[in-house]
Order: sequence, then structure tokens, then C-alpha cells
Amino acid sequence: QSALTQPASVSGSPGQSITISCTGTSSDVGSYNLVSWYQQHPGKAPKLMIYEVSKRPSGVSDRFSGSKSGNTASLTISGLQTEDEADYYCCSYAGSSTFVIFGGGTKLTVL
Amino acid sequence: QVQLVQSGAEVKKPGASVKVSCKASGYTFSGYYMHWVRQAPGQGLEWMGRINPNSGGTNYAQEFQGRVTMTRDTSITTAYMELSRLRSDDTAVYYCARGHCSGSGCHFDFWGQGALVTVSS
Repeated sequence: QSALTQPASVSGSPGQSITISCTGTSSDVGSYNLVSWYQQHPGKAPKLMIYEVSKRPSGVSDRFSGSKSGNTASLTISGLQTEDEADYYCCSYAGSSTFVIFGGGTKLTVL
Repeated sequence: QVQLVQSGAEVKKPGASVKVSCKASGYTFSGYYMHWVRQAPGQGLEWMGRINPNSGGTNYAQEFQGRVTMTRDTSITTAYMELSRLRSDDTAVYYCARGHCSGSGCHFDFWGQGALVTVSS
């Protein structure tokens, strides 16, 4: 099964909002509300930002939000801050054979 | 507080095996699946598989079937991932991650610091 499709890069200015898309298929994103998003700074482990499409773990800023429509999930970051500059990965449950599939990752640059 | 502490970096020759450990603390070890995810240099995240620390049951990604073995020692709350018949393209950072599961699917709420495995002759 191929990786979920994310844009390679997105950029925005401080204070702006950006959205990162994550496109899968009817076998993964489209079938389950089990999409999660991870932030990864260089040389660091990933950090959970969103789970089950739109839920935020305790301690994650409410500037981060998630949604899904059909086979595409989205992560929106509002009020961009310089510390948001990182790589972002989406992840979805993909059924009992494949279990987990990640997106290819998106590099966010805060200009 | 939840912590996952992994073993250190390893250098291995092609064809060898590597075993990475992940020491868990701050929660009930048997209550959460432990997953393994790897990241090749400059590349994305790749799920390798998971182990149920309670039963020892495992599920492996098809790509790693036959080469990966995940085990655990509940007495020391440690999970292990062993990868055999190493190739140069197995060079990567290997992460353990706690799986918080809802029904069929899991998200990864805590991660280890990663263990770099370099495969080189």
C-alpha cells in the first residue's frame, strides 16, 4: 500500500494560517476516523499533535486543528509562530492487514 | 511521567542482525501496545509493527515479515525489536512509540528518543 500523499512543502508568515492536506484512499483515510498528525523538529522524535481526525492531546495548542472530508484529511495551523517550523506527518489506520500508513511528510517553513 | 528510553546507536555489517531495546516507565506497561517506526536519513516515517506487551502477540508490516521480531520482557518493562539480514537501506533511526488504541486503530502518544542503526561494510 502506498504512503498517504502530502505536499512536500508549505510556507507561511507569522500570524497567518496554513493547511496541510493528506490524501489517502477509501481503504484508509476514507474508511476510518483514525487519522493522526505528528510534528517533528530536526533531530527530534515525532510529537503527537492531532488524533482521531480532530482531537488535540493535552498540552497541544488550540492553534492546531484537524478535519477530514472523504479520502483527504487536513491539518490547519492558525496564528503561525516561528516554532511551528517543522516537518509534519499524517498517519491513518489502514485495516487489519496493513494496520498503519504514514504520509510522506510536509516541511513547513515560517517565513 | 511516561518515558520511553531506547538503547544507543549501533553500527552493523550487511547480513548481520540488530536488536534495539525500549525501556518504558511511568505507566502500566502491559496496558498499551508498543509500536516500532523507522526513519531513513532525510526520509519519512515507516511503520514496522507492534507488540501487545500483555500477550506477546505481534503484527508486522508486510515489508518486514520474516526479518523482524518484536519481543518484550514484562519483568523489566522493556520492548525489543530485532531486525535480521541487514542491508544498507536499513540504515535509519528506529523509534519505539506507545500506541494509544481506540478500537482497531492506534495513535502514538509517546515516543522514544530513537536509536540510529547504521549498516555499512
